[in-house]
Amino acid sequence: NAGVTQTPKFRILKIGQSMTLQCAQDMNHNYMYWYRQDPGMGLKLIYYSVGAGITDKGEVPNGYNVSRSTTEDFPLRLELAAPSQTSVYFCASSYSGDLGPGYTFGSGTRLTVV
Amino acid sequence: KNQVEQSPQSLIILEGKNCTLQCNYTVSPFSNLRWYKQDTGRGPVSLTIMTFSENTKSNGRYTATLDADTKQSSLHITASQLSDSASYICVVSASYGQNFVFGPGTRLSVLP
Repeated sequence: NAGVTQTPKFRILKIGQSMTLQCAQDMNHNYMYWYRQDPGMGLKLIYYSVGAGITDKGEVPNGYNVSRSTTEDFPLRLELAAPSQTSVYFCASSYSGDLGPGYTFGSGTRLTVV
Repeated sequence: KNQVEQSPQSLIILEGKNCTLQCNYTVSPFSNLRWYKQDTGRGPVSLTIMTFSENTKSNGRYTATLDADTKQSSLHITASQLSDSASYICVVSASYGQNFVFGPGTRLSVLP
């Protein structure tokens, strides 16, 4: 199994540009999450989804949008990139929605906004 | 406010030595606590998960303890190896919603 796959691994954006971070999982998990990790800080939840067609805001949703048209995919959209969005982004998925067995992270996307 | 604090912020030890990492939390109501290992440039990988009723859980050379009364957890690494060099993250889950609180991590460096 591939688990949770994130693309791209690295990206440099100019201020004001937009992009989509891709996340796909092949474990048939209902729950999917997007986090950002800033240096020296804990992961912060941006958005999450409890199933296809259902999304909800996390702790730091401003400047981001998500959609969940299929169980497998959960893309994160940045519409107007800002330097404050420079971070490492992690996608995760789980079956039960708790930090139980099977809560799996992707390998991350490092985004720099200049 | 739900918070997770970890200490030390960073730690350097020699290969073969033991070490203990600390995690203090104020998350309530508590559901479970998990320790993750995060290698540089990779996503976190689960080491252990502990519920309210569990005091100790081991995974090979990793042993986690939990004191739910004092809201403290520790991760003990025995006979460290170079491959243990990573960040170790404590994550506490509240028993409602998608409320996972991540600690900032402890950066461990194991030197030969």
